[in-house]
Amino acid sequence: GAGVSQSPRYKVAKRGQDVALRCDPISGHVSLFWYQQALGQGPEFLTYFQNEAQLDKSGLPSDRFFAERPEGSVSTLKIQRTQQEDSAVYLCASSLASQGAKETQYFGPGTRLLVL
Amino acid sequence: GNSVTQMEGPVTLSEEAFLTINCTYTATGYPSLFWYVQYPGEGLQLLLKATKADDKGSNKGFEATYRKETTSFHLEKGSVQVSDSAVYFCALGASGGYQKVTFGTGTKLQVIP
Repeated sequence: GAGVSQSPRYKVAKRGQDVALRCDPISGHVSLFWYQQALGQGPEFLTYFQNEAQLDKSGLPSDRFFAERPEGSVSTLKIQRTQQEDSAVYLCASSLASQGAKETQYFGPGTRLLVL
Repeated sequence: GNSVTQMEGPVTLSEEAFLTINCTYTATGYPSLFWYVQYPGEGLQLLLKATKADDKGSNKGFEATYRKETTSFHLEKGSVQVSDSAVYFCALGASGGYQKVTFGTGTKLQVIP
């Protein structure tokens, strides 16, 4: 079946511009995660949804970052007034169940954001 | 908090050489441990996992054993191929509740013919 998809794959924004990144998880997956991966680094957790509920947003770096998943499927990560330090690859992942440390997360290809 | 430390790269090996990428972790409770791989131009893929102490995860000739006494999860392969060239990430999933994954910084492997 289809995997996790993300769009756009690449985004160039001018500093101060707002951007919206989309994630389509695997159908039926309850859990959805957003990660930020800086160049040469491992992904870092941003936020977690269980269905439409955002249960953890402890990794969001500032109040310019906002995520939503209104119908419990597609999710959007919005960054307002982008800054150069926001340049990174933004990864979305989904998993089937809502709990369990044994759950496998399936990752999308990521959106590469470059802020000029 | 949870953290993962892995061997810095890049690692360059000749085809058919033995591979070890070291990974150690710090965590409370009983986390699950993972190795993810990122091939050039592709997304992160789960390579293998282990969910409790002494478990061995294996896939595509790679294996790693969950060692609680040394808090390690080293990745090994007996004979690497050019197609194994990629970036490898060690990661842990917090025990209990949902799985917030903490990643290491990644180790780039280049296999030359």
